[in-house]
Amino acid sequence: EVQLLESGGGLVQPGGSLRLSCAASGFTFSSYAMTWVRQAPGKGLEWVSAISGSGGSTYYADSVKGRFTISRDNSKNTLYLQMNSLRAEDTAVYYCAKEPRYYYGSGSNYYFDYWGQGTLVTVSS
Amino acid sequence: DIQLTQSPSFLSASVGDRVTITCRASQGISSFLAWYQQKPGKAPKLLIYAASTLQSGVPSRFSGSGSGTEFTLTISSLQPEDFATYYCQQLNSYPPYSFGQGTKLEIK
Repeated sequence: EVQLLESGGGLVQPGGSLRLSCAASGFTFSSYAMTWVRQAPGKGLEWVSAISGSGGSTYYADSVKGRFTISRDNSKNTLYLQMNSLRAEDTAVYYCAKEPRYYYGSGSNYYFDYWGQGTLVTVSS
Repeated sequence: DIQLTQSPSFLSASVGDRVTITCRASQGISSFLAWYQQKPGKAPKLLIYAASTLQSGVPSRFSGSGSGTEFTLTISSLQPEDFATYYCQQLNSYPPYSFGQGTKLEIK
């Protein structure tokens, strides 16, 4: 059974830092890209960052580029999100999700098939 | 960036109704679209990917169609457990993998 368990959320002051973790089990972690998605209170979903299975490629939303760093430790089956220079607008529930690849005639694409339960990050003084 | 616009934003319907939610992309995204269902306090759940492929375990009353810039999610006969918020997501190009603003489906 696939399980994704986020941790590390909490209350932090503006300008502060936090590191989120996502512990994965039930699948071959290193074979899959992983992603972080966040949801501000009462708002919609916002994609934040993604990382390839090897960790060699990373991608960021413009809203977090230069402040957040995604990484993974495949030996520990764990995904991370290092968040620096936090702002009030970063307040959200942060979800990690697994990105399987599917193949079609001329290429491949992704989707997010399993999500963790989320961890709440609150940025406030 | 590719923008996704869902309509309607709110939908009131009854058990047994057939409902359709539309997602329009600001530029063509081929069939690289997914649909998710989210209930209050819970993580999103994948329903459909590649515009029309039903995720394993999802009831067959859910279906998706479309390509290019216009897509639809249809629930053929609403069940009580279907009342939730639905999001479309484009995976044609990133960053970012943008989401629609959501459609809240409520009980009439």
